[in-house]
Amino acid sequence: GAVVSQHPSRVICKSGTSVKIECRSLDFQATTMFWYRQFPKQSLMLMATSNEGSKATYEQGVEKDKFLINHASLTLSTLTVTSAHPEDSSFYICSARDPSQGGGYTFGSGTRLTVV
Amino acid sequence: AQRVTQPEKLLSVFKGAPVELKCNYSYSGSPELFWYVQYSRQRLQLLLRHISRESIKGFTADLNKGETSFHLKKPFAQEEDSAMYYCALSGQGAQKLVFGQGTRLTINP
Repeated sequence: GAVVSQHPSRVICKSGTSVKIECRSLDFQATTMFWYRQFPKQSLMLMATSNEGSKATYEQGVEKDKFLINHASLTLSTLTVTSAHPEDSSFYICSARDPSQGGGYTFGSGTRLTVV
Repeated sequence: AQRVTQPEKLLSVFKGAPVELKCNYSYSGSPELFWYVQYSRQRLQLLLRHISRESIKGFTADLNKGETSFHLKKPFAQEEDSAMYYCALSGQGAQKLVFGQGTRLTINP
């Protein structure tokens, strides 16, 4: 099946700084990608839908100015956590629909963000 | 609104015993249902989806629209089935995938 590559896998940053997470579709084009957040021992919560060439669609309660999403090409979406705080520490996962799976979803390996 | 409920956070069964992981959903239209599995330290993997109606690793799931359920079943559990299982729903045209809370399945030897 298709592969979604996510980088970095782990990042530690200081409070107040910004962190960028990349999500790439390696062997297919993804006009839409999805960003999830997962707290320890909890499920994945959809943060936003990233649309190539247009603005992202954010879920209710997600601060769009804090979690900046850019989807400038058909194979790359980025999530930037701006002015990070310790409460932003979490596991972030991206996803895209996999054309080889007939529309099923494929997931990145996730990024563990720790804000100190 | 799309909602998925997995009532069991933890489920523990013995090897060789039958397994059923429950999933109920709420959606006004025709949903697309999925089961995803996450093994320790690995990324989420698609286990099965209702429209393909196939059996993967011995697991099956039937969409019951009357009961709005999509329970995952396996007649004989194996130790390698120990993992986190997520039921998920995608609505018509919406594309976004909404997850249930997940069930951690432990198969005891």
